[in-house]
Amino acid sequence: QQQVKQSPQSLIVQKGGISIINCAYENTAFDYFPWYQQFPGKGPALLIAIRPDVSEKKEGRFTISFNKSAKQFSLHIMDSQPGDSATYFCAARVYQAGTALIFGKGTTLSVSS
Amino acid sequence: DTAVSQTPKYLVTQMGNDKSIKCEQNLGHDTMYWYKQDSKKFLKIMFSYNNKELIINETVPNRFSPKSPDKAHLNLHINSLELGDSAVYFCASSQVGGYTFGSGTRLTVV
Repeated sequence: QQQVKQSPQSLIVQKGGISIINCAYENTAFDYFPWYQQFPGKGPALLIAIRPDVSEKKEGRFTISFNKSAKQFSLHIMDSQPGDSATYFCAARVYQAGTALIFGKGTTLSVSS
Repeated sequence: DTAVSQTPKYLVTQMGNDKSIKCEQNLGHDTMYWYKQDSKKFLKIMFSYNNKELIINETVPNRFSPKSPDKAHLNLHINSLELGDSAVYFCASSQVGGYTFGSGTRLTVV
């Protein structure tokens, strides 16, 4: 119940294309769903996050779509650029003091020019 | 000014040694964490501390011992290092939703 399942494991997209990464969860007590971006040799950095009372959130070229009934959420990267090539992690959390993020297994995105 | 800083960035050591990784955050966050990232990049929570109190202690060998001297610091001490401990260890902190990660410590046990 504490798992977050992420797919695909890897993704190759042409420059200018749309990258889509999907995540699914079981625990309905999760109340916060962030996406993190990680470049080689760096720590994960928050990209965008959503709470379950919202179905979509957009920040620049990045959009989270959230489907509460299906217990799924996805990251869409519009107009993908070579600089977007990184590993992306979805995550979820049950709100409580000290609660940690539970991460998906990550998606390695390569954007070819 | 780095928000969450870890030292050292790289650590190469022999099996059986004892080593420590230090973490400091200047964000004023109440909660700090240690995560382990394995060779397949999977990020797994090890420990969390809230206001110096241990909250999460996942199934981690008791060779790993976290210490939080104050709210801004969370150190990780590892005894009797094994080959399987080789990984990248990330410190993080949070306050009401936002989680900030350090840049990691790559531990290699030879």
